Amino acid sequence: DQQVKQNSPSLSVQEGRISILNCDYTNSMFDYFLWYKKYPAEGPTFLISISSIKDKNEDGRFTVFLNKSAKHLSLHIVPSQPGDSAVYFCAAGTGNQFYFGTGTSLTVIP
Amino acid sequence: NAGVTQTPKFQVLKTGQSMTLQCAQDMNHNSMYWYRQDPGMGLRLIYYSASEGTTDKGEVPNGYNVSRLNKREFSLRLESAAPSQTSVYFCASSVSTDTQYFGPGTRLTVL
Repeated sequence: DQQVKQNSPSLSVQEGRISILNCDYTNSMFDYFLWYKKYPAEGPTFLISISSIKDKNEDGRFTVFLNKSAKHLSLHIVPSQPGDSAVYFCAAGTGNQFYFGTGTSLTVIP
Repeated sequence: NAGVTQTPKFQVLKTGQSMTLQCAQDMNHNSMYWYRQDPGMGLRLIYYSASEGTTDKGEVPNGYNVSRLNKREFSLRLESAAPSQTSVYFCASSVSTDTQYFGPGTRLTVL
């Protein structure tokens, strides 16, 4: 059974608006969470991370929120830009073992 | 500074053939990883090496072997390839148990 789930395979957003990507996990022992961005035919690129001792981490236009009680994290992109169009993977784990979601394909419409 | 490099980029094998996927990193990272990505699925960890001289199984290790040749290099070997091993393989590295940096991937087809 999947330990990390991204239930929305795709998302379309107008340029300038907020993009919200969601991720759920099942293992309460996970203590580190990451978001990766992936373009076709390339490897995933690290975007932003958060540890379990925090509930929010910001980096420019990207903010990750962690709700440990709900075992849920989300990535907010504000404002969304056409160059943000890509597949976004969340990952969660502890130690050296990380589990990835199936990805959400974000399309930002100019 | 090339980051994480992988060779080859593409490979086609026949069932039963063997091959080794190579990975190298120049970031002086301690930990290295091999993942596979299949359509409709996330990346799944095959093996990892927390430090030079150690290797451990991940989520889907069956059919694979690994070698941590030195701090820079981590190879993945398929001894007898099967069609179920058709996938895109990614190598990654990290300083320790944190952010992983990925290579560009190897697209493997087993006929």
